[in-house]
Amino acid sequence: GNSVTQMEGPVTLSEEAFLTINCTYTATGYPSLFWYVQYPGEGLQLLLKATKADDKGSNKGFEATYRKETTSFHLEKGSVQVSDSAVYFCALITTRDYKLSFGAGTTVTVRA
Amino acid sequence: GAGVSQSPSNKVTEKGKDVELRCDPISGHTALYWYRQSLGQGLEFLIYFQGNSAPDKSGLPSDRFSAERTGGSVSTLTIQRTQQEDSAVYLCASRSSFSEDTQYFGPGTRLTVL
Repeated sequence: GNSVTQMEGPVTLSEEAFLTINCTYTATGYPSLFWYVQYPGEGLQLLLKATKADDKGSNKGFEATYRKETTSFHLEKGSVQVSDSAVYFCALITTRDYKLSFGAGTTVTVRA
Repeated sequence: GAGVSQSPSNKVTEKGKDVELRCDPISGHTALYWYRQSLGQGLEFLIYFQGNSAPDKSGLPSDRFSAERTGGSVSTLTIQRTQQEDSAVYLCASRSSFSEDTQYFGPGTRLTVL
């Protein structure tokens, strides 16, 4: 079956620090990979995605590269802001069943 | 509409009562999903509707849970004889047939069973 393992939090950073959240996966077939973000009091939003090996997804200064050889999709941002405080979920979907499988979520708090 | 909407946003009920949760997907989206977000289980898939096909119910945790989608649009998730462990945020998502891997989520319904 499909599964996603992501770095456990919580993670606390100072503004302008570098953020990385590790994510690895196992999947049957060829998955598309996603990072979703949930800001306090809000719903899940798609942050970025990558659909094939070596693709890089990017949005709002965040990046993640689909690494098939290491089955990973680590999220990075070079300089975080207080507004990046949120819960981040790594997820995958396969064309076999089109159901999202999520990691446990990582809570990130950025302090001014 | 502009996005996926869900109602109610919050629901408090007593153990043993039935509840209905509603989801209005993005107009024109052919696929609709229900997920549950709870402290102990994280985000888990419940049920999936695609067009006129039979729904994929493989994620429903018990036969107390059911869902329907009328006219290929609005969906209702029904939980009968609610239990305290049903307390969670219930999320609905929809997907276009033109972007088969990207789901758009509603704000969720927070269900509390006392």
